[in-house]
Amino acid sequence: EAGVTQFPSHSVIEKGQTVTLRCDPISGHDNLYWYRRVMGKEIKFLLHFVKESKQDESGMPNNRFLAERTGGTYSTLKVQPAELEDSGVYFCASSLTGPVHTSGANVLTFGAGSRLTVL
Amino acid sequence: AQSVAQPEDQVNVAEGNPLTVKCTYSVSGNPYLFWYVQYPNRGLQFLLKYITGDNLVKGSYGFEAEFNKSQTSFHLKKPSALVSDSALYFCAVRDRTGRRALTFGSGTRLQVQP
Repeated sequence: EAGVTQFPSHSVIEKGQTVTLRCDPISGHDNLYWYRRVMGKEIKFLLHFVKESKQDESGMPNNRFLAERTGGTYSTLKVQPAELEDSGVYFCASSLTGPVHTSGANVLTFGAGSRLTVL
Repeated sequence: AQSVAQPEDQVNVAEGNPLTVKCTYSVSGNPYLFWYVQYPNRGLQFLLKYITGDNLVKGSYGFEAEFNKSQTSFHLKKPSALVSDSALYFCAVRDRTGRRALTFGSGTRLQVQP
């Protein structure tokens, strides 16, 4: 089974530019999450999709961040315009739906991350 | 609001010795607790989870964790460390109602010396 794929693995952009990160979850995983880790800090939740719907976007830092999941498959996270503090590693994760005690439910499978550097 | 504290940025242990990576949490009500591991240039990988029942949870690669409700802790342990266990370890918590997303700690780097 293919894992969670993220693209690009590393992006270096100038302040004020736009970047779009893509995540392809595991096929059949309705839940898709975006997280971000700034150097040395905790992994912070950004948002959660269930299929194509935004279930929880309480972690999105501001309106410069826009996430979409058209058709409930892959997702994109756009940062426009990028600021210096947006630098970090953006992780995508997916999981099955089901009661948490069932095998696999709520077990997140992570992608390798997209490292964003804003200069 | 829920939170996770991993008080040690780095833990050093000699190969063959037991290891402990500490985690404490704060959540409303009873928690779901998780440990993930990240190897270089890889995504986080699931190690184990506590849902209910036995406080000692066994997971992948010989790791285990003990849920202690009174101390709000979920420390990760292994009886005998391997050099290949060297990696970044993250503890995570979720409450049983409300938001389904996990809240992670800042991570602890485990260095196992040969």
